Amino acid sequence: AQKVTQAQTEISVVEKEDVTLDCVYETRDTTYYLFWYKQPPSGELVFLIRRNSFDEQNEISGRYSWNFQKSTSSFNFTITASQVVDSAVYFCALRGGGFKTIFGAGTRLFVKA
Amino acid sequence: DAGITQSPRHKVTETGTPVTLRCHQTENHRYMYWYRQDPGHGLRLIHYSYGVKDTDKGEVSDGYSVSRSKTEDFLLTLESATSSQTSVYFCAISDPTDRGHYNEQFFGPGTRLTVL
Repeated sequence: AQKVTQAQTEISVVEKEDVTLDCVYETRDTTYYLFWYKQPPSGELVFLIRRNSFDEQNEISGRYSWNFQKSTSSFNFTITASQVVDSAVYFCALRGGGFKTIFGAGTRLFVKA
Repeated sequence: DAGITQSPRHKVTETGTPVTLRCHQTENHRYMYWYRQDPGHGLRLIHYSYGVKDTDKGEVSDGYSVSRSKTEDFLLTLESATSSQTSVYFCAISDPTDRGHYNEQFFGPGTRLTVL
C-alpha cells in the first residue's frame, strides 16, 4: 500500500523566516514519482515540482528548495525568506506504478507580516 | 495554465437527487481524474479515465459513476446524492512523458457541492 504523511497540520511563521514542510512516504514500488502542490486561499491547485525516484538530486527554484532522501523516504520542501503570498495549503503526493496518485492531508502554512 | 474547466462551479442540491459534474479539457491529455477534497483528508481519488470509454475506480468510488465519451469530457455522476458527498470536487488531467513516465497532474478550478 502507498501512503503519504504530512505530520504538520499547520505551521505559522513570521515573514522572512525559513520554513520546512515535511513529507514522508511509503511505497513498495521501485519506480515512483513525488510531487508538491500548492493551494492558495483562492482554492486552485498549483503544481510545484515532480521528482522521480531514480533522481535524488535536490532542487532549488528561487526561494523554494526540495530535499529528496530515499534512505528516509522523505521529500521535504523548504521556503526561504517566506512571504505572505506563500500562505497556502501545501500537498505532497506520490504516484507509484499505476495511475493513482496518493495525496497527503496537507500542511497549512500561515505567513504573518 | 492547462485548459481545464469544470461546471458548475457551485451547486446546492437535496438528498436523493441526481447530480452530474462536468470536466472539460482542451489539452488533449489522455488521463483524466476526479478527486474530492475534504478537511483532514487531502485529495482522494474517486474515479479516473485512461482513455475514451476506459475508466476505473479510485479509493472512494462508492456512490459515484463516471463516463468519458470524448477525450475532452469527463463526467462525474452522483446517482442519488447524500450529505456525505458534500465536498469540493476537482478534476485533473495528465499525460505521460515521451519516455512513458508519469507526468504531473493539472487541476481544474473545482466544484463546491453542498447536499442538504
